[in-house]
Amino acid sequence: DTEVTQTPKHLVMGMTNKKSLKCEQHMGHRAMYWYKQKAKKPPELMFVYSYEKLSINESVPSRFSPECPNSSLLNLHLHALQPEDSALYLCASSQVGASYEQYFGPGTRLTVT
Amino acid sequence: GQQLNQSPQSMFIQEGEDVSMNCTSSSIFNTWLWYKQDPGEGPVLLIALYKAGELTSNGRLTAQFGITRKDSFLNISASIPSDVGIYFCAGLGLYGGSQGNLIFGKGTKLSVKP
Repeated sequence: DTEVTQTPKHLVMGMTNKKSLKCEQHMGHRAMYWYKQKAKKPPELMFVYSYEKLSINESVPSRFSPECPNSSLLNLHLHALQPEDSALYLCASSQVGASYEQYFGPGTRLTVT
Repeated sequence: GQQLNQSPQSMFIQEGEDVSMNCTSSSIFNTWLWYKQDPGEGPVLLIALYKAGELTSNGRLTAQFGITRKDSFLNISASIPSDVGIYFCAGLGLYGGSQGNLIFGKGTKLSVKP
């Protein structure tokens, strides 16, 4: 099973709202990632968790707050977003290490109004 | 920083044609990955390559890890309409290859020839 699930599929939120994106995997992977993807561009790395600890933060604004409550779950908490934050948000997982393939979820299409 | 040059940027296919695309880099990678992404969906892993010179197939898809470790190509044989989409190459760096150092190419968009 190489499935990563993400909820919700679509999300529309105002700039004053607080919302969360959720990601789940049951492949036993101990590394999980958040990516942001704008239209016609490749995914851009936001955060990396390794063994449930944040290991990489690619200078992401604090209005994005990741959380890894256990080895299967990854959340991205959103607060006071801007319209330019509208994008496809992708979760991925892999084994820990520098050489392992990453498996992506279907993404959450976020629109900030 | 490390960058991948993926070409072509776009191409039109007619059913039954073979398709080729490639990625090159000025840096060495120790793993090459090829993904396909449909509109509004996440990238789906097609092929993973781990050794220089490695040639790997997945159905009608064949990919190779260049012997210099700086390039990779993907071939699709006998294309069908469902092959349309965006194909991304991605490399995992050898140096500074900390967790998550996945470098993406800009993608090759396959469309059906009108």
